[in-house]
Amino acid sequence: AQSVTQLGSHVSVSEGALVLLRCNYSSSVPPYLFWYVQYPNQGLQLLLKYTSAATLVKGINGFEAEFKKSETSFHLTKPSAHMSDAAEYFCAVSDRGSSNTGKLIFGQGTTLQVKP
Amino acid sequence: IAGITQAPTSQILAAGRRMTLRCTQDMRHNAMYWYRQDLGLGLRLIHYSNTAGTTGKGEVPDGYSVSRANTDDFPLTLASAVPSQTSVYFCASSVAGGGTDTQYFGPGTRLTVL
Repeated sequence: AQSVTQLGSHVSVSEGALVLLRCNYSSSVPPYLFWYVQYPNQGLQLLLKYTSAATLVKGINGFEAEFKKSETSFHLTKPSAHMSDAAEYFCAVSDRGSSNTGKLIFGQGTTLQVKP
Repeated sequence: IAGITQAPTSQILAAGRRMTLRCTQDMRHNAMYWYRQDLGLGLRLIHYSNTAGTTGKGEVPDGYSVSRANTDDFPLTLASAVPSQTSVYFCASSVAGGGTDTQYFGPGTRLTVL
């Protein structure tokens, strides 16, 4: 079975500072991993995904994530935070052990606060 | 292109009442999903459908039912609402339900059961 743990329910950074949101996964098979972002009062939208190609994945809005099998991690980073990055971020893994491999298992979410 | 629409946007419901949350997509995606979002728990899958005419149970299916009569619509029904079903409900779709597919989410329905 697959699972995802996001370390830190709230992260606060200053505008211009590095953003690091942590995600660790557990999977008995090679995982497919995703980061989604949710802006206030909106649905989720995809930031980036890892599907077993390049381990460093670049996404929208300057975000990237690196798949590290040895650490079972898929942390999300951005070199310089913008005020517009304030949102909730979800890490997710595909439930590849089921009949519908597209089923996603989400982490608990991390709220990113960006201070001026 | 609207993508995914959900209705209603929000609803306050008395316990014991029946409620159907509507979801429609115009992307001709085969797979559709219903999630609930609760603080500190992230999103949890309620039911899914790989294609029209088929449905399956997710992580938290109890108290909910779905149908998939056609490609575009995937309504979620609470037969007899209880306060623990107070949540924000998101509908999503993907092209084929594959493990690498991107899921596209609707704007959500905020449901309060009193």
